[in-house]
Amino acid sequence: GAVVSQHPSRVICKSGTSVKIECRSLDFQATTMFWYRQFPKQSLMLMATSNEGSKATYEQGVEKDKFLINHASLTLSTLTVASAHPEDSSFYICSATSHDNNEHFFGPGTRLTVL
Amino acid sequence: GDSVTQMEGPVTLSEEAFLTINCTYTATGYPSLFWYVQYPGEGLQLLLKATKADDKGSNKGFEATYRKETTSFHLEKGSVQVSDSAVYFCALTTQGGSEKLVFGKGTKLTVNP
Repeated sequence: GAVVSQHPSRVICKSGTSVKIECRSLDFQATTMFWYRQFPKQSLMLMATSNEGSKATYEQGVEKDKFLINHASLTLSTLTVASAHPEDSSFYICSATSHDNNEHFFGPGTRLTVL
Repeated sequence: GDSVTQMEGPVTLSEEAFLTINCTYTATGYPSLFWYVQYPGEGLQLLLKATKADDKGSNKGFEATYRKETTSFHLEKGSVQVSDSAVYFCALTTQGGSEKLVFGKGTKLTVNP
C-alpha cells in the first residue's frame, strides 16, 4: 500500500518556539492531505484539510495563525505550530489521499512536547 | 452533521474470546464506512471498509457488515489474539472517501494471554 511518512517522530521544545512537522507521501501524489490532533484518551480531531497549491481549510475552532499549513507540492505538506505552548503538546497525525485512490493513508504521527 | 458513535471501552478480553465493538452512525448522505486500528505509538491503519449497504468488510479475521436499516457497522472477531491489542476507530466519509473522515472516539482493546 501507499506510504506516508512524518518527520520528526517526536519533538521536545521550549515554550514560545515554533515547530515544523512534515508529512510526505512517498510513492504517490497526494492531492489532499489532512492534519489531525489526537488527544489523550484517543479521540482524533481533524484540524484542517489542505489541497496542493491552495490554502488549507480549517475546522471550526482551529486557529489558522497558530497552526500554519502549507501544501506546496503533491508529496509534501507541513504543519507549523507557531509560538508553541504546553497546551499544544499532543500527537499530530497526517493522512493523504490521491485523485485516483480515495483511501486515506496515515502517517505514523509526531509526538510534540512543549516544556 | 455527520457523526459516529462507538462503544468507548476500554475492553479487556482473554485470548481466543469473541470480540464485538459496536458502531453506529448518522449521515446526511450515503456514507462509506471504515474501521481503523492504531497500535501503540503508531499512526492509523485501515483495517476494513464497506461502501454500500449489506457489504461485509473483512481482514485479519475481523469482520463488519454495513447495515443501513440500523445505521450500524459493528466490528467482530471470533477469536482475538494478544497481538490484536490496539485502539480501534470506526469512521465514515460521505463523498467517495476523498472527503474528510469522521471518526468515533475509539475503543481501546487489551487482550490478555
